[in-house]
Amino acid sequence: QKEVEQDPGPLSVPEGAIVSLNCTYSNSAFQYFMWYRQYSRKGPELLMYTYSSGNKEDGRFTAQVDKSSKYISLFIRDSQPSDSATYLCARYMDTGRRALTFGSGTRLQVQP
Amino acid sequence: DVKVTQSSRYLVKRTGEKVFLECVQDMDHENMFWYRQDPGLGLRLIYFSYDVKMKEKGDIPEGYSVSREKKERFSLILESASTNQTSMYLCASSGLTGVNSPLHFGNGTRLTVT
Repeated sequence: QKEVEQDPGPLSVPEGAIVSLNCTYSNSAFQYFMWYRQYSRKGPELLMYTYSSGNKEDGRFTAQVDKSSKYISLFIRDSQPSDSATYLCARYMDTGRRALTFGSGTRLQVQP
Repeated sequence: DVKVTQSSRYLVKRTGEKVFLECVQDMDHENMFWYRQDPGLGLRLIYFSYDVKMKEKGDIPEGYSVSREKKERFSLILESASTNQTSMYLCASSGLTGVNSPLHFGNGTRLTVT
């Protein structure tokens, strides 16, 4: 089982819809999660990060961690065509390792 | 803004060739990373380095080596390229240790081995 599992999509929604992107993880040892966004032909860029459980909000984006179900989510409100990209969840596996472990990414298409 | 520059956008090499992928960052970051990205598999860590001349294996180091002679430059070496190394290669850097250090990525090198 991969450490971080993510539905690859593609996910297609109309402009203005609320989008929910989800990841599950298998190892509960350390919980620091990040969401990266990757546009076509570009490298990933950090969108949000969250530590432990609960919600974190930044504009139209909300990151949520549910420790009990080992589930992390990214919600996008009022989605825009410019949100069309691949979204990657990632986590640090432990405090000592400086590299992130990534999910496989979910491709999102927001239709105008 | 942090800039991570990968020397080639596209590269085509033949099986058995020795291949060098170069990465330079301009923010004096301690940590540098090489990932490969494949459809359905996401990003997988090949090697990383937390200091000059230091390196650590990632999850899929077989068939690769790295070199970090200067702080700003991190090279990925394919000693004898094979077709299963056809992939998108992404370099990244980060400035701090531990969890408060987001990775900054380059735009990738798409390598095709024929």
